Amino acid sequence: TQLLEQSPQFLSIQEGENLTVYCNSSSVFSSLQWYRQEPGEGPVLLVTVVTGGEVKKLKRLTFQFGDARKDSSLHITAAQPGDTGLYLCAGLEGAQKLVFGQGTRLTINP
Amino acid sequence: GAVVSQHPSWVICKSGTSVKIECRSLDFQATTMFWYRQFPKQSLMLMATSNEGSKATYEQGVEKDKFLINHASLTLSTLTVTSAHPEDSSFYICSAPRSYEQYFGPGTRLTVT
Repeated sequence: TQLLEQSPQFLSIQEGENLTVYCNSSSVFSSLQWYRQEPGEGPVLLVTVVTGGEVKKLKRLTFQFGDARKDSSLHITAAQPGDTGLYLCAGLEGAQKLVFGQGTRLTINP
Repeated sequence: GAVVSQHPSWVICKSGTSVKIECRSLDFQATTMFWYRQFPKQSLMLMATSNEGSKATYEQGVEKDKFLINHASLTLSTLTVTSAHPEDSSFYICSAPRSYEQYFGPGTRLTVT
């Protein structure tokens, strides 16, 4: 099974600051997905990146897939308290199986 | 968008009893579904792949006789935790793939007393 290293695992910052979460692997993934999970709920898909070097934007969130398709990053600009949650990256292994990183628990303080 | 449901959303059972959790794809068919387990403040850990019409594929370290999986139809997979013990208490989540994406259920909180 391929492994995904996600960092940092915990991050607490003030409202208005910027942050970046990293997801790294020594293996190549055909695609990589980012999820956000609220307590007591299932993960909700934010974005899927497929092409090496791909950049996708979702309002204040910017997702990037590394050129070699081994790593990805999530950048949040001007973080807001509503961004608080558990962010998970997951790589597609084979046709349908997802491998999850350890998750980043993000807290945005007002 | 695609929707996956789980039932029950939470369950409390006594040690030694069995509990069945259902996972349904509501508006699409899924020949494959996945079952995950999540401990507090941790990420999702894949337990097994549920295959419609055939045996489930279990990840290394997951006891197939304890976590029984049945995928009887294209929209339903069930996970039965047999002879539950307090250490089985966890958040169980299922997912079903559609195209390139996975759609997750809302999870089932199992507490074994």
